[in-house]
Formats: sequence, structure tokens, C-alpha cells
Amino acid sequence: KAGVTQTPRYLIKTRGQQVTLSCSPISGHRSVSWYQQTPGQGLQFLFEYFSETQRNKGNFPGRFSGRQFSNSRSEMNVSTLELGDSALYLCASSLEAAYNEQFFGPGTRLTVL
Amino acid sequence: GNSVTQMEGPVTLSEEAFLTINCTYTATGYPSLFWYVQYPGEGLQLLLKATKADDKGSNKGFEATYRKETTSFHLEKGSVQVSDSAVYFCSFNAGNMLTFGGGTRLMVKP
Repeated sequence: KAGVTQTPRYLIKTRGQQVTLSCSPISGHRSVSWYQQTPGQGLQFLFEYFSETQRNKGNFPGRFSGRQFSNSRSEMNVSTLELGDSALYLCASSLEAAYNEQFFGPGTRLTVL
Repeated sequence: GNSVTQMEGPVTLSEEAFLTINCTYTATGYPSLFWYVQYPGEGLQLLLKATKADDKGSNKGFEATYRKETTSFHLEKGSVQVSDSAVYFCSFNAGNMLTFGGGTRLMVKP
């Protein structure tokens, strides 16, 4: 069974631009969660989607948004990029509930210049 | 609020040394507890878990016991290898999400 895949793996953007990251969960998994990982803040929860609905949201500004498609694939979007958005963005999928075992993708490394 | 406290790293050990990484949590109710590991350049992988008090999770020589009375879930391994060098995250489920500790970097020298 294929694991969680994320594209692209690396991304370089400039301040003010927007970016879209993609995540394909493990086949059959309906829950997709997104995390931001930085050296200073560690792993911070962004949001979770289940059956195309945002079920939970972390404490991030409205510039961070996401969606989930009917095939459970998910995208997250960051608008008006800031230098502080430079981070590793991790996607994780789980069968039904995000509080059960989550399977993580390799992440997308975003650098904002 | 919900939180996880892990010992700060880096933890540097020689090969075959004994490893303990402390983890305590603050949560309502009785959550499931997890240890995840992140190898360089990769995402997180579930290392082990425990779902109720006194459960012991184990995998690849690592063990952790769910201690409800001390709200702890310390990670141990009797003999570390160079290949164990990674960042270890303690975590628990709170509501419909996982809460993670700050991570502990382990460096094992040959």
C-alpha cells in the first residue's frame, strides 16, 4: 500500500506570493491533517479534514486555508507569504479519526525569501 | 490546556548505551499516548503507542509505559545504535487532533 505523498517536496517563494501544497493520503484514509514544523515552534497543528469538511483547526491566521476533495486528497494554501512561513509542512492521514494513529508524508519544505 | 513536555536535547550517547527520554503530558481524560520518530529528511513515523493506563508500547527495542498517576510516558531503549539517531516526539490525542511535544534530538556516536 502506498504511503502518504506530498508534492512538491521543495518550494521557494518570495514574500507576498501565495502557494498551494498537495497531499495524497493512504488509500482508504478519510482524515487528513496538516502540520507546520519549524525549529523554533516545533510541530503545530494547522487543520484537519474529514469527508471534505474541516473538522478541526489550529491557531493560525486566515492566510492559511485548506480543502479536501472527494477522493480524500487535500490541498493547503498560504496567501500573502511572510518570511516566518518558511517551514516544513507535513501532511498526515488516518483511517477515520485524527486522534488515532496518523501516517505522515515526507513533507514539503517551503522557503520564503 | 493540553500540552506535552519533553526533555530538551540534544541527547548524545555512545552506541550500546541506555536511553531514556522523558515525557509528561497535561490533558483532560485518559488520552492515548504515542511516540513518533523523525529521521533526517523524512516525515514522522509512529514508533509505539499505548491506549490505556499501565499499557506498555514497544517496537524496535524501544519501550514506553503509560503511567496515569504521574501522567508520563517515558521512552526507553536498553542499547542504542547509530541508526537510532533521529528526533523523537511524544504525543497524545486531545479532542480530534494530536498534540506533540517539542521533540528530542538523539545523537548516537559509534
